[in-house]
Amino acid sequence: DQQVKQNSPSLSVQEGRISILNCDYTNSMFDYFLWYKKYPAEGPTFLISISSIKDKNEDGRFTVFLNKSAKHLSLHIVPSQPGDSAVYFCAASAQYGGSQGNLIFGKGTKLSVKP
Amino acid sequence: DAGITQSPRHKVTETGTPVTLRCHQTENHRYMYWYRQDPGHGLRLIHYSYGVKDTDKGEVSDGYSVSRSKTEDFLLTLESATSSQTSVYFCAIRQDSYNSPLHFGNGTRLTVT
Repeated sequence: DQQVKQNSPSLSVQEGRISILNCDYTNSMFDYFLWYKKYPAEGPTFLISISSIKDKNEDGRFTVFLNKSAKHLSLHIVPSQPGDSAVYFCAASAQYGGSQGNLIFGKGTKLSVKP
Repeated sequence: DAGITQSPRHKVTETGTPVTLRCHQTENHRYMYWYRQDPGHGLRLIHYSYGVKDTDKGEVSDGYSVSRSKTEDFLLTLESATSSQTSVYFCAIRQDSYNSPLHFGNGTRLTVT
């Protein structure tokens, strides 16, 4: 059973607008959440993370929101740029129990930012 | 870059042959990981290591073995390659502290014919 779900395989937005990527999880023991970006023929690149003691973390154009009661996190990119076009992976881990501290990844969402 | 080198970058092999993929790091990190990426599956953990000679299984470990005789090297071996092991394999490293992100290498594309 999938513990980390990214239900949208793809998303297309216009340059300059907001991109919102969503992720749901089922394991209530998860306490650390991350977003990765991946370009073709390259390894995933760490983007931003959030601990379960927070509900928001911001880094430049990227903001991650965490809603623990809904077991949902989202990544906002504002403003979106063509260079943001990539596959985005959501990941989560639990320090105690569950995933043994290892990252569990979603299946990814392919973002296309059109000029 | 996080100082991770994977070799080879591409490999084509035949069913039934053994294959070893190498991951080399220059960061002296304790934790190292092997993931595979397949369409429709995202990234799945194969094996990981938490120190020299200390390894454990991940979600999809069947058909794979690993070894770590030095801090800097983590080897992934397919004892007898099958077509289902055609995939892109990524190595990753992490610092000791729990709330640290993984940093990935650029991957090895393996094709088993």
